[in-house]
Amino acid sequence: KQEVTQIPAALSVPEGENLVLNCSFTDSAIYNLQWFRQDPGKGLTSLLLIQSSQREQTSGRLNASLDKSSGRSTLYIAASQPGDSATYLCAVRRRDDKIIFGKGTRLHILP
Amino acid sequence: ETGVTQSPTHLIKTRGQQVTLRCSSQSGHNTVSWYQQALGQGPQFIFQYYREEENGRGNFPPRFSGLQFPNYSSELNVNALELDDSALYLCASSFGIPTGNEQFFGPGTRLTVL
Repeated sequence: KQEVTQIPAALSVPEGENLVLNCSFTDSAIYNLQWFRQDPGKGLTSLLLIQSSQREQTSGRLNASLDKSSGRSTLYIAASQPGDSATYLCAVRRRDDKIIFGKGTRLHILP
Repeated sequence: ETGVTQSPTHLIKTRGQQVTLRCSSQSGHNTVSWYQQALGQGPQFIFQYYREEENGRGNFPPRFSGLQFPNYSSELNVNALELDDSALYLCASSFGIPTGNEQFFGPGTRLTVL
C-alpha cells in the first residue's frame, strides 16, 4: 500500500529565505511524482511533474528532486515571497494509474 | 483548448439528500478521476472512469457512484448524504490508462452537508 508523508506539516519563514519541503513515499513502483500548490478553499495548481526516470525538474524559483530508490522527493523554493504562502501537496502516480496524495505542508512566508 | 471544468462551484445540502457533481474533461482526454478532499487533508481517490467504464475505485461506500458519458464528461453522485461528506470534490482528466500521463485538475466543487 502506497503511503505519502510530508514533513513538516507547517512552516513559517521570513521573506527572502530559501526553503525545502520534504515528501516521502513507501512504494518505489511509481510512474511519476507531482508537486501541487493549493490556496485556501481553491483547487490544485500543478507546479512540477517528475517522471520516474528523471531526477529533477525546475521551473523558475522552484526545483523538485526525486530519489525513487529511497522514496524521497524535495521541493526547493528559492528567495521566498509572501505570494508563495499556500499549502504544498506531494502526490505519486502508482502503476495502476491512481494518484496518492500527502496531507500537505502549510507554508507561511512572513513579510 | 479548454481546461477541466466543474459545476457547481459550491453546494449546500442536508443530511440524507442526494447530490450530483459534474466534470467536463480537457479536450482530447478520455479518462476522468474523482477525489474527495476533507478540510486539512490531502485529496483521496474515489474512482476513475475510462471510456465510459469504471476503472478502479478507492475506499468509498457504494453510495458514491459515477458515470462517464460518450463525450468523456463525468458525474459523481452521492446518495444518503452524511455530515462527513462535506469536502472539496476534485476531478482530473488525462489521456489513456495506465500511462502515467499527467492528470489535469479542475477547480473543484465545495459541498457542505448540514
